[in-house]
Amino acid sequence: AQKVTQAQTEISVVEKEDVTLDCVYETRDTTYYLFWYKQPPSGELVFLIRRNSFDEQNEISGRYSWNFQKSTSSFNFTITASQVVDSAVYFCALSEAGIGTDKLIFGTGTRLQVFP
Amino acid sequence: DSGVTQTPKHLITATGQRVTLRCSPRSGDLSVYWYQQSLDQGLQFLIQYYNGEERAKGNILERFSAQQFPDLHSELNLSSLELGDSALYFCASNGGSGRAADTQYFGPGTRLTVL
Repeated sequence: AQKVTQAQTEISVVEKEDVTLDCVYETRDTTYYLFWYKQPPSGELVFLIRRNSFDEQNEISGRYSWNFQKSTSSFNFTITASQVVDSAVYFCALSEAGIGTDKLIFGTGTRLQVFP
Repeated sequence: DSGVTQTPKHLITATGQRVTLRCSPRSGDLSVYWYQQSLDQGLQFLIQYYNGEERAKGNILERFSAQQFPDLHSELNLSSLELGDSALYFCASNGGSGRAADTQYFGPGTRLTVL
């Protein structure tokens, strides 16, 4: 069965701290895709990254980096030198290729609060 | 701005009523998805359309229905509303076949409050 677990419900940090958001997934499919979305206080869902199951290279985009490890079924997200504007709820999501639809299965989200 | 539009932004109605939520996908996108975000259920997939045809159904109640029109906009109809239907309803779109996990871009959502 498909499942995404974000065990951290809420994380609070002070500005400039590094923070890692954990994501663990379950799937029986060999081809799948993982995503991170950000939901700021305004409510919209903003796409951050998409990664397919065959690409285990880590990715860095500015202060954001992602660590994909198939061996542990994890796709963790690190924010370096956090800023107040990073305060949001972050969702990890999974999509499988072999089931006829690319619907997203979301985790429960991690609320990140960055204090000045 | 994702390019996906949703109207209305807010909707307040009473139990038993019927409402229609509207979504216009990004230009050129053929697939439209509807998701519900509620406090107790989190973000859940409701239904997917690809080029006018239903592609997949998720945890969508029988009181809810949707369709995608020839111009590719989509509507989600919610009827016999209950208090528990209060939620944020998102529409998303992508240009893929609906199977290839192209990135889904989300609209701003419609916040439905049932009193």
